[in-house]
Amino acid sequence: QVQLVQSGAEVKKPGASVKVSCKASGYTFTNYYIHWVRQAPGQGLEWMGWINTNSGGTNYPEKFQGRITMTRDTSIDTVYMELSSLRFDDTATYYCAREKAAAVPNEFDHWGLGALVTVSS
Amino acid sequence: DIQMTQSPSTLSRSVGDRVTITCRASQSISSWLAWYQQKPGKAPKLLISKASNLKWDVPSRFSGSGSGTEFTLTISSLQPDDFATFYCQQYSTYPYTFGQGTYLEIK
Repeated sequence: QVQLVQSGAEVKKPGASVKVSCKASGYTFTNYYIHWVRQAPGQGLEWMGWINTNSGGTNYPEKFQGRITMTRDTSIDTVYMELSSLRFDDTATYYCAREKAAAVPNEFDHWGLGALVTVSS
Repeated sequence: DIQMTQSPSTLSRSVGDRVTITCRASQSISSWLAWYQQKPGKAPKLLISKASNLKWDVPSRFSGSGSGTEFTLTISSLQPDDFATFYCQQYSTYPYTFGQGTYLEIK
């Protein structure tokens, strides 16, 4: 069965970086892109960007450019999302989600369980 | 960026009720719209893609409609398992954006 297994909860200080992983199984890794979406406590969903698992190409919204890096390791079917210069308002649950790779856009049909990142001094 | 506006923000309904949630886009997104359901402490789950395509394992009491800038999610007869928060999402144009959510609570 399809699974996106994320790394565990993290506590970081302001100004630090965090790297969250998302390991895929149950499907062909490079047939799907991986997106990252975060959710602050009690708030809605915010899209953070995506990575083409085949080419490694990325797309980040302007809000996160310069502070976010998504990478993948095709040998272990894993995607990483690193967010730097952490601020208190980066405290959130970070989800990875997959999108079928195709010539047209597709929805996020499967999500990881989320990884809580807490920024605290 | 395309703004997605859901209404209402909160709904109080009873089991068996028919429910409609509206999502409006600030510009046309054709049919590139998805609906997700999220329960507390859980990841969102896909319900509907391309505005009206029901995911294979989602009950048929859920349906979606619309195109362009106005979309609806309808639950024909609420079941106890349906109480949750619902989000629409446009995937027409980067950055992808979500509605603010509609919280459906038991009356």
